[in-house]
Amino acid sequence: GQQLNQSPQSMFIQEGEDVSMNCTSSSIFNTWLWYKQDPGEGPVLLIALYKAGELTSNGRLTAQFGITRKDSFLNISASIPSDVGIYFCAGQRRTGNQFYFGTGTSLTVIP
Amino acid sequence: DAGVTQSPTHLIKTRGQHVTLRCSPISGHKSVSWYQQVLGQGPQFIFQYYEKEERGRGNFPDRFSARQFPNYSSELNVNALLLGDSALYLCASSLGTNTEAFFGQGTRLTVV
Repeated sequence: GQQLNQSPQSMFIQEGEDVSMNCTSSSIFNTWLWYKQDPGEGPVLLIALYKAGELTSNGRLTAQFGITRKDSFLNISASIPSDVGIYFCAGQRRTGNQFYFGTGTSLTVIP
Repeated sequence: DAGVTQSPTHLIKTRGQHVTLRCSPISGHKSVSWYQQVLGQGPQFIFQYYEKEERGRGNFPDRFSARQFPNYSSELNVNALLLGDSALYLCASSLGTNTEAFFGQGTRLTVV
């Protein structure tokens, strides 16, 4: 099945640092979503992207829809302890309705 | 406004049993999708329903079935449970079939 590769797999950063993670696919997607998931909880939607090249912000979070439509990027500025969690990208093709999820990036913020 | 609600939150079943999981979408949302998430992995698509009709099915065996009711709530049924069915089952609600999906807190199913 479709695989979305996220990198890095895990990150350990100091509070206040900026974070960058990305997601790549072998297929073209029409929609990219970024989620954050805490242990034992459902994923929480952070940002939705619908157009190639689109750059969207949500507070300290900024995500971009790659021009090739095969990748997306998420940046977190000035990280804080509550940013800890697992970040997932999800993509949806033009045909078909399912979202394909990435392998996740685990973020640890050291105070 | 209430978000996506799932019940039960936790469930323990034995191999061979049947399970029914329930989901109520966000008010006004007509699409419900089900995902399975095993530990350490991203969610895997099982089904999508829109206006009570199946609009998508993932690569899961026929032991998995679902339906959507007139009030847009949904049930996921799994028959003949296997140990490998142990996972967090997530329900996602969306306005349509191609719009962003909002997840519930999930049902943690343990098969022993």
